[in-house]
Amino acid sequence: AQSVTQLDSQVPVFEEAPVELRCNYSSSVSVYLFWYVQYPNQGLQLLLKYLSGSTLVKGINGFEAEFNKSQTSFHLRKPSVHISDTAEYFCAVTKTSYDKVIFGPGTSLSVIP
Amino acid sequence: DARVTQTPRHKVTEMGQEVTMRCQPILGHNTVFWYRQTMMQGLELLAYFRNRAPLDDSGMPKDRFSAEMPDATLATLKIQPSEPRDSAVYFCASGGAVNTGELFFGEGSRLTVL
Repeated sequence: AQSVTQLDSQVPVFEEAPVELRCNYSSSVSVYLFWYVQYPNQGLQLLLKYLSGSTLVKGINGFEAEFNKSQTSFHLRKPSVHISDTAEYFCAVTKTSYDKVIFGPGTSLSVIP
Repeated sequence: DARVTQTPRHKVTEMGQEVTMRCQPILGHNTVFWYRQTMMQGLELLAYFRNRAPLDDSGMPKDRFSAEMPDATLATLKIQPSEPRDSAVYFCASGGAVNTGELFFGEGSRLTVL
């Protein structure tokens, strides 16, 4: 079975500074990987996804993530954060045969003015 | 603008009462997921359906929870009887027929059981 670990439960960062949110996964088969964002009192929305091909994927709002198969990681990065990036970020995994989507525990990103 | 619609958005009830949450997936989506979100447990998968058939409901307490898809435009999650520990936000998400795993979430139903 797949599982997802997000090592940092909370990440405070100053506005315009870079940020990296870490995600590691466990699976015995090939997977698809995702990052979702949740703003207060809202549902989750997709930031970006890795299905195949280039290991560096770009998403909305200037975010990008890199798939590293050997380290089973899919870290999310942004070179310069804005106040509006304050939210909860979830890493997720599913098997490549369309299966249930498992979410990590989430990382709360707080951008400090 | 296609979106997943959940009702009710907020529900306060007393312990022992039946609660029904409804979800209208995006038209044409054939996969529906129910998740529960709490501070302590995060996002837990309760059940999911493909083409209206339940594929996995192992995350759901069977004695009090039930999930169904009466038709392609409606998914329901029922709790009977409800307990205070069921207090949480319940999310429905739907996915398309193309195998990408991308999910579209509703805004959630916030349940408080007193």
